[in-house]
Amino acid sequence: EAGVAQSPRYKIIEKRQSVAFWCNPISGHATLYWYQQILGQGPKLLIQFQNNGVVDDSQLPKDRFSAERLKGVDSTLKIQPAKLEDSAVYLCASTRRLAGGGEQFFGPGTRLTVL
Amino acid sequence: KNEVEQSPQNLTAQEGEFITINCSYSVGISALHWLQQHPGGGIVSLFMLSSGKKKHGRLIATINIQEKHSSLHITASHPRDSAVYICAAADNYGQNFVFGPGTRLSVLP
Repeated sequence: EAGVAQSPRYKIIEKRQSVAFWCNPISGHATLYWYQQILGQGPKLLIQFQNNGVVDDSQLPKDRFSAERLKGVDSTLKIQPAKLEDSAVYLCASTRRLAGGGEQFFGPGTRLTVL
Repeated sequence: KNEVEQSPQNLTAQEGEFITINCSYSVGISALHWLQQHPGGGIVSLFMLSSGKKKHGRLIATINIQEKHSSLHITASHPRDSAVYICAAADNYGQNFVFGPGTRLSVLP
């Protein structure tokens, strides 16, 4: 079974630029999560999808962050415009269960550096 | 909102030592997850617990629901165990996960 795929693995941009991350969850996994992990901290949930619907985006800074999961499979996370404090690893995870919970499978992450 | 704490924050051990990492949370949960994160960012799920104890190889995880506390033990530690260990609490609906700050473990040969 292929794991969760993310791209790019690394991205360096200047502040005020835009950036997009892509995630392909494990086939058949209904629930997809995007997390932000700042150096030295645990992951923080940004948004949770069930199929192509948003379950929780309460911690997503909606003035600059957006995410979508078209057709309930792949997902993209966008930051526009980026700020210095957005420098972090962005992790995508998925679970099989429709209601979330269960074991989460994580992608390798995208390390974003904003200069 | 659930608050998840871990101790210690950093831990250095000699190869072969028995290691314990602790996790506490503030509100009721449906499950407690232990995760391992190696340098470079990849996260691997080690355990998912809702009660009692689980064992996998040299790793043992326990949870006390009444005390809202979980521990991860590593027996006969090895340098390859060096990583950040994170506990995550899933709320009663299993929807939301709150992650602890992680414990950075270094096992010296």
